[in-house]
Amino acid sequence: AQKVTQAQTEISVVEKEDVTLDCVYETRDTTYYLFWYKQPPSGELVFLIRRNSFDEQNEISGRYSWNFQKSTSSFNFTITASQVVDSAVYFCALNYGGSQGNLIFGKGTKLSVKP
Amino acid sequence: NAGVTQTPKFRVLKTGQSMTLLCAQDMNHEYMYWYRQDPGMGLRLIHYSVGEGTTAKGEVPDGYNVSRLKKQNFLLGLESAAPSQTSVYFCASSYISSRLNQPQHFGDGTRLSIL
Repeated sequence: AQKVTQAQTEISVVEKEDVTLDCVYETRDTTYYLFWYKQPPSGELVFLIRRNSFDEQNEISGRYSWNFQKSTSSFNFTITASQVVDSAVYFCALNYGGSQGNLIFGKGTKLSVKP
Repeated sequence: NAGVTQTPKFRVLKTGQSMTLLCAQDMNHEYMYWYRQDPGMGLRLIHYSVGEGTTAKGEVPDGYNVSRLKKQNFLLGLESAAPSQTSVYFCASSYISSRLNQPQHFGDGTRLSIL
Protein backbone atom coordinates (compact mmCIF):
# COMPACT_ATOMS: atom_id res chain seq x y z
CA ALA A 1 0.00 0.00 0.00
CA GLN A 2 1.08 3.55 -0.67
CA LYS A 3 0.99 5.82 2.31
CA VAL A 4 2.43 9.02 3.72
CA THR A 5 2.61 9.56 7.46
CA GLN A 6 3.21 12.88 9.15
CA ALA A 7 3.16 11.92 12.80
CA GLN A 8 3.42 15.48 14.10
CA THR A 9 -0.03 17.03 14.01
CA GLU A 10 0.99 20.40 15.45
CA ILE A 11 4.31 22.00 16.38
CA SER A 12 4.80 25.28 18.13
CA VAL A 13 8.16 27.05 18.28
CA VAL A 14 9.49 30.46 19.13
CA GLU A 15 10.94 32.59 16.38
CA LYS A 16 14.56 31.80 15.47
CA GLU A 17 14.31 28.22 16.67
CA ASP A 18 15.09 25.42 14.23
CA VAL A 19 12.29 22.95 13.57
CA THR A 20 12.10 19.63 11.72
CA LEU A 21 8.93 18.26 10.19
CA ASP A 22 8.88 14.50 9.78
CA CYS A 23 7.56 12.56 6.82
CA VAL A 24 7.59 8.78 6.46
CA TYR A 25 6.34 7.13 3.30
CA GLU A 26 5.44 3.65 2.12
CA THR A 27 5.55 2.40 -1.44
CA ARG A 28 6.55 -0.77 -3.26
CA ASP A 29 7.61 1.14 -6.36
CA THR A 30 11.28 1.74 -7.03
CA THR A 31 10.54 4.93 -8.95
CA TYR A 32 8.67 7.57 -7.08
CA TYR A 33 8.76 11.24 -6.19
CA LEU A 34 8.28 13.03 -2.93
CA PHE A 35 7.00 16.56 -2.51
CA TRP A 36 6.52 19.14 0.17
CA TYR A 37 3.76 21.75 -0.03
CA LYS A 38 3.07 24.69 2.24
CA GLN A 39 -0.43 25.91 3.06
CA PRO A 40 -0.32 29.32 4.77
CA PRO A 41 -3.34 30.66 6.68
CA SER A 42 -4.61 32.24 3.45
CA GLY A 43 -5.32 28.70 2.24
CA GLU A 44 -3.46 28.27 -1.03
CA LEU A 45 -1.07 25.37 -1.59
CA VAL A 46 2.48 26.33 -2.45
CA PHE A 47 4.92 23.85 -3.94
CA LEU A 48 8.24 23.78 -2.06
CA ILE A 49 10.33 20.88 -3.33
CA ARG A 50 10.31 17.57 -5.16
CA ARG A 51 12.80 14.71 -4.84
CA ASN A 52 13.04 11.54 -6.90
CA SER A 53 13.74 8.12 -5.46
CA PHE A 54 17.17 7.86 -7.09
CA ASP A 55 18.60 11.02 -5.60
CA GLU A 56 19.36 10.87 -1.91
CA GLN A 57 21.33 14.08 -1.77
CA ASN A 58 20.15 16.51 0.80
CA GLU A 59 18.98 19.85 -0.47
CA ILE A 60 19.21 23.31 1.00
CA SER A 61 17.33 26.36 -0.14
CA GLY A 62 17.89 29.35 2.06
CA ARG A 63 16.55 28.51 5.51
CA TYR A 64 14.91 25.32 4.23
CA SER A 65 16.60 21.96 3.98
CA TRP A 66 15.41 18.47 3.18
CA ASN A 67 16.86 15.14 4.30
CA PHE A 68 15.85 12.17 2.15
CA GLN A 69 16.79 8.73 3.50
CA LYS A 70 15.59 5.66 1.61
CA SER A 71 16.85 3.36 4.35
CA THR A 72 14.27 4.76 6.73
CA SER A 73 11.72 5.83 4.07
CA SER A 74 11.82 9.34 5.35
CA PHE A 75 11.86 12.77 3.75
CA ASN A 76 12.19 15.27 6.57
CA PHE A 77 12.00 19.04 6.25
CA THR A 78 13.97 21.42 8.45
CA ILE A 79 13.44 25.15 8.81
CA THR A 80 16.41 26.95 10.29
CA ALA A 81 15.93 30.14 12.28
CA SER A 82 12.16 29.99 11.91
CA GLN A 83 10.14 33.12 11.30
CA VAL A 84 6.54 34.03 11.96
CA VAL A 85 5.87 33.87 8.21
CA ASP A 86 6.73 30.18 8.30
CA SER A 87 3.53 29.53 10.22
CA ALA A 88 1.50 27.24 8.01
CA VAL A 89 0.37 23.68 7.48
CA TYR A 90 3.00 21.65 5.69
CA PHE A 91 2.11 18.62 3.62
CA CYS A 92 4.35 15.83 2.45
CA ALA A 93 3.14 13.96 -0.64
CA LEU A 94 4.08 10.88 -2.67
CA ASN A 95 3.76 10.33 -6.41
CA TYR A 96 4.43 6.77 -7.59
CA GLY A 97 4.41 4.87 -10.85
CA GLY A 98 0.93 3.43 -10.57
CA SER A 99 -0.76 6.61 -9.48
CA GLN A 100 -1.38 8.29 -12.85
CA GLY A 101 0.40 11.29 -11.47
CA ASN A 102 -1.88 11.52 -8.47
CA LEU A 103 -0.45 12.71 -5.20
CA ILE A 104 -0.93 10.85 -1.95
CA PHE A 105 -0.82 13.39 0.83
CA GLY A 106 0.04 13.07 4.46
CA LYS A 107 -2.38 14.65 6.89
CA GLY A 108 -0.17 17.67 7.36
CA THR A 109 1.74 19.28 10.21
CA LYS A 110 0.57 22.63 11.50
CA LEU A 111 3.54 24.79 12.41
CA SER A 112 3.05 27.84 14.59
CA VAL A 113 5.97 30.19 15.00
CA LYS A 114 5.52 32.66 17.80
CA PRO A 115 7.38 35.96 18.04
CA ASN B 1 -0.29 35.04 -14.68
CA ALA B 2 -3.49 33.25 -13.65
CA GLY B 3 -2.33 29.61 -13.35
CA VAL B 4 -5.23 27.61 -11.91
CA THR B 5 -8.45 29.48 -11.22
CA GLN B 6 -11.36 28.07 -9.25
CA THR B 7 -14.89 29.44 -9.33
CA PRO B 8 -16.62 30.14 -6.97
CA LYS B 9 -14.44 30.73 -3.91
CA PHE B 10 -17.27 30.24 -1.41
CA ARG B 11 -20.69 28.67 -1.61
CA VAL B 12 -23.41 27.61 0.80
CA LEU B 13 -25.90 25.00 -0.35
CA LYS B 14 -28.89 23.27 1.14
CA THR B 15 -29.02 19.50 1.30
CA GLY B 16 -30.23 18.10 -1.99
CA GLN B 17 -29.22 21.07 -4.13
CA SER B 18 -26.86 20.67 -7.02
CA MET B 19 -23.95 22.76 -8.18
CA THR B 20 -20.88 22.76 -10.35
CA LEU B 21 -17.40 23.90 -9.41
CA LEU B 22 -15.31 25.21 -12.27
CA CYS B 23 -11.55 24.86 -12.61
CA ALA B 24 -9.66 26.61 -15.38
CA GLN B 25 -5.94 26.45 -16.12
CA ASP B 26 -3.97 28.44 -18.63
CA MET B 27 -0.73 26.42 -18.59
CA ASN B 28 -1.75 23.91 -21.27
CA HIS B 29 -1.46 21.07 -18.76
CA GLU B 30 -2.70 17.63 -19.73
CA TYR B 31 -3.53 16.41 -16.25
CA MET B 32 -6.11 17.91 -13.94
CA TYR B 33 -7.31 16.84 -10.51
CA TRP B 34 -9.98 17.53 -7.94
CA TYR B 35 -9.16 17.08 -4.25
CA ARG B 36 -11.09 17.69 -1.10
CA GLN B 37 -9.50 18.82 2.14
CA ASP B 38 -11.10 18.02 5.46
CA PRO B 39 -9.72 18.84 8.93
CA GLY B 40 -7.11 16.31 10.00
CA MET B 41 -7.42 14.36 6.75
CA GLY B 42 -5.02 16.08 4.39
CA LEU B 43 -6.07 16.20 0.74
CA ARG B 44 -7.88 13.30 -0.88
CA LEU B 45 -8.32 12.79 -4.58
CA ILE B 46 -11.90 12.81 -5.87
CA HIS B 47 -11.50 12.50 -9.64
CA TYR B 48 -8.83 13.25 -12.16
CA SER B 49 -8.37 13.62 -15.89
CA VAL B 50 -5.41 12.66 -18.06
CA GLY B 51 -6.61 14.64 -21.04
CA GLU B 52 -9.53 16.27 -22.80
CA GLY B 53 -12.55 13.98 -22.84
CA THR B 54 -11.19 11.57 -20.23
CA THR B 55 -11.91 11.24 -16.53
CA ALA B 56 -11.18 8.68 -13.82
CA LYS B 57 -12.10 8.03 -10.22
CA GLY B 58 -9.81 8.84 -7.36
CA GLU B 59 -9.92 7.83 -3.73
CA VAL B 60 -13.29 9.39 -2.77
CA PRO B 61 -15.44 9.70 -5.92
CA ASP B 62 -18.90 8.90 -4.53
CA GLY B 63 -21.42 11.71 -4.84
CA TYR B 64 -19.39 13.62 -7.43
CA ASN B 65 -19.22 13.73 -11.20
CA VAL B 66 -16.70 15.45 -13.44
CA SER B 67 -16.31 16.50 -17.03
CA ARG B 68 -13.36 17.61 -19.14
CA LEU B 69 -14.87 18.88 -22.37
CA LYS B 70 -12.05 21.32 -22.97
CA LYS B 71 -8.40 20.84 -22.11
CA GLN B 72 -8.27 23.96 -19.99
CA ASN B 73 -11.39 23.26 -17.93
CA PHE B 74 -12.27 20.59 -15.39
CA LEU B 75 -15.74 20.69 -13.82
CA LEU B 76 -16.76 19.05 -10.56
CA GLY B 77 -20.46 18.45 -10.04
CA LEU B 78 -22.51 17.64 -6.98
CA GLU B 79 -25.87 16.27 -8.11
CA SER B 80 -27.51 16.13 -4.69
CA ALA B 81 -25.42 17.83 -2.04
CA ALA B 82 -25.06 16.21 1.38
CA PRO B 83 -23.67 17.66 4.62
CA SER B 84 -20.76 15.17 4.37
CA GLN B 85 -19.62 17.06 1.30
CA THR B 86 -18.90 20.17 3.32
CA SER B 87 -15.23 20.70 2.61
CA VAL B 88 -12.61 22.80 0.89
CA TYR B 89 -12.15 21.71 -2.71
CA PHE B 90 -8.90 22.15 -4.56
CA CYS B 91 -8.26 21.81 -8.24
CA ALA B 92 -4.78 21.13 -9.56
CA SER B 93 -3.07 20.62 -12.88
CA SER B 94 0.25 19.25 -14.07
CA TYR B 95 2.22 18.21 -17.12
CA ILE B 96 1.77 14.68 -18.42
CA SER B 97 2.29 12.03 -15.80
CA SER B 98 5.02 10.11 -17.61
CA ARG B 99 7.23 12.61 -15.91
CA LEU B 100 6.19 11.93 -12.36
CA ASN B 101 8.36 14.67 -11.02
CA GLN B 102 6.20 17.45 -12.32
CA PRO B 103 4.68 19.34 -9.41
CA GLN B 104 0.98 19.93 -9.38
CA HIS B 105 -0.15 23.53 -9.46
CA PHE B 106 -3.11 24.24 -7.22
CA GLY B 107 -5.94 26.71 -7.32
CA ASP B 108 -6.85 28.76 -4.27
CA GLY B 109 -9.66 26.43 -3.24
CA THR B 110 -13.44 26.57 -2.97
CA ARG B 111 -14.99 26.51 0.48
CA LEU B 112 -18.31 24.68 0.25
CA SER B 113 -20.81 24.37 3.09
CA ILE B 114 -23.84 22.11 2.89
CA LEU B 115 -26.58 22.87 5.40
